[in-house]
Formats: sequence, structure tokens, C-alpha cells
Amino acid sequence: IAGITQAPTSQILAAGRRMTLRCTQDMRHNAMYWYRQDLGLGLRLIHYSNTAGTTGKGEVPDGYSVSRANTDDFPLTLASAVPSQTSVYFCASSEEGAGELFFGEGSRLTVL
Amino acid sequence: GENVEQHPSTLSVQEGDSAVIKCTYSDSASNYFPWYKQELGKGPQLIIDIRSNVGEKKDQRIAVTLNKTAKHFSLHITETQPEDSAVYFCAAGYHNTDKLIFGTGTRLQVFP
Repeated sequence: IAGITQAPTSQILAAGRRMTLRCTQDMRHNAMYWYRQDLGLGLRLIHYSNTAGTTGKGEVPDGYSVSRANTDDFPLTLASAVPSQTSVYFCASSEEGAGELFFGEGSRLTVL
Repeated sequence: GENVEQHPSTLSVQEGDSAVIKCTYSDSASNYFPWYKQELGKGPQLIIDIRSNVGEKKDQRIAVTLNKTAKHFSLHITETQPEDSAVYFCAAGYHNTDKLIFGTGTRLQVFP
């Protein structure tokens, strides 16, 4: 059972470069989310999608964009990376946008 | 909007002792309070949750209590074991997951 698959698991990136973090789920969940995890700040929601074709902004959306072309995939794009975007990024999904969140194993991004 | 504070940030206990982690929230309309456990190198995983219509919920060695008047909720782990060592996150919000706000996390270490 795969659940949520994220790629890459780790990446070092020069400031100003474009980067897309990939997320795929095989649970047919309607809702998907992107969080960033920073020491001392916990998990903060970047963007979410309650169903294919729709997206919404979370707590910290600036500098990030998402798309939801189908149920399974929810990529997160940094158009022009900055050092403050150094973080661990987690993709998650839930049934019907409520209740338990199922997380991937994270993508560690370092922007130099 | 909702604000969640979590204490302590680190907690060390002897195997067999109890551990308590406390969270406070600001929005009296919040009605859903989950707890997530994150093991090293993994994504967070739901361990227990409580809704505002109950004051306490137990699942084997873990329990959560909720005081809506004081706007705080706590995680209790009894008879701790080394495998309980992890980072624990509380969260508060509504039934819709995109409105969930996470605490800053507690690193629990259980020493044999």
C-alpha cells in the first residue's frame, strides 16, 4: 500500500531557480494539502485542494503555487526559490476534506 | 483566526512513567482536536482525536482530555515505552481539515 508518494526526498537548490515538488496518492481521496514544517513553528498549511480542479490558499501561500488536474496528483511549485523556503515539505490527503490526514514522508528542500 | 500553543517543547521521561502534553487554543468555535505522532524521518500520523461534544477519549495507553471552557486539551500517555519516543503535534480547528491549525510540536524522549 503506497498511500502518499512524494518526490524528490531531498533537494538542494540555488536561489532564483524554479522547483516543483511532486505528490501522488493512490487512496482516491478528494482532498490534498501541502504543509511546510519548520523547527519551532510546527506544520503550516501552504495550499490545499478539496477536489480535482479546485485549489485554495492556506496560512503561508506566498511564493508557492499548486495545481490539481486530477484526483491523484498535487504538485507544489516554487517559481523563484528563496532561502526562507528552506524547509521540509509534506503532502497529505484526506477523505472529503475532513477528519484524518494521511501524510507522505516529506521532501527536504534547501535553498542556497 | 485560530492560534494553538503547545507545551512543553521537549519532554524526557523514564520508561514506564506517564507523559502529558498540553495545548491551548484561541477560537472558541473550534470543534475538532487531533493529535499526530511523527517518528524520525516519517510524516505525521494520527494517533487520537476528540470532538467538542466529549470531554475525554481513551485508546489503550493514550488518552486525550478537552476543557472547552478553558480552551485547552491534553494528551496523556501512560506506561511509556521507548517506541513512544517521537515528536507529537496537537491541532485545533473545524471538521474541515483545511481550517486545522497545528501546534509547534513536543519532542518526547523515553529512556529505558
